[in-house]
Amino acid sequence: DTAVSQTPKYLVTQMGNDKSIKCEQNLGHDTMYWYKQDSKKFLKIMFSYNNKELIINETVPNRFSPKSPDKAHLNLHINSLELGDSAVYFCASSQQQGRGAFFGQGTRLTVV
Amino acid sequence: AQSVTQPDIHITVSEGASLELRCNYSYGATPYLFWYVQSPGQGLQLLLKYFSGDTLVQGIKGFEAEFKRSQSSFNLRKPSVHWSDAAEYFCAATPPRQAGTALIFGKGTTLSVSS
Repeated sequence: DTAVSQTPKYLVTQMGNDKSIKCEQNLGHDTMYWYKQDSKKFLKIMFSYNNKELIINETVPNRFSPKSPDKAHLNLHINSLELGDSAVYFCASSQQQGRGAFFGQGTRLTVV
Repeated sequence: AQSVTQPDIHITVSEGASLELRCNYSYGATPYLFWYVQSPGQGLQLLLKYFSGDTLVQGIKGFEAEFKRSQSSFNLRKPSVHWSDAAEYFCAATPPRQAGTALIFGKGTTLSVSS
């Protein structure tokens, strides 16, 4: 069983569209994260949720909105997509905030 | 500011040779430290972690890392590299025992393995 699963794995869409990426973890972890990996492979935290509560909200355009319906799920909704949003988005989870995290396979978002 | 530095952008090692990837951190207190590996088109896999105690940490796939407080370093090593080790390696850190924190990553080191 996949520990942290994201869907879709690939997402190609036009500028201006709205899209969502879903993430689920079956590890029983309390904390979930969204990271963005840019074209130079640099990884940066976007959001973190602990037991459905938003803990970290980095400097991210408000077109990005995370939603956590329960502690096993953390979705990422992006409005009015721009070319610069093209990146790989990783979901992750950890048992305790600040400890090592388990990552999903990533969603490669391409905005055309 | 808290940061993680990986000085080597790209390293090429012959198959069977030893490997050392460098990582330095800049934090007020000793952070928790991690090494991750990312194979092409894949997610990140945790190789090993250091929280406290023994400064030589063993990980998966034959990797180990040594924490040196005096040098603010956490270098990754492997005695004999296999072609399948070719990947991107990330060092990461997070402040210990602090709520509201996440991993801060270095910029990564690309490992190529030559035959």
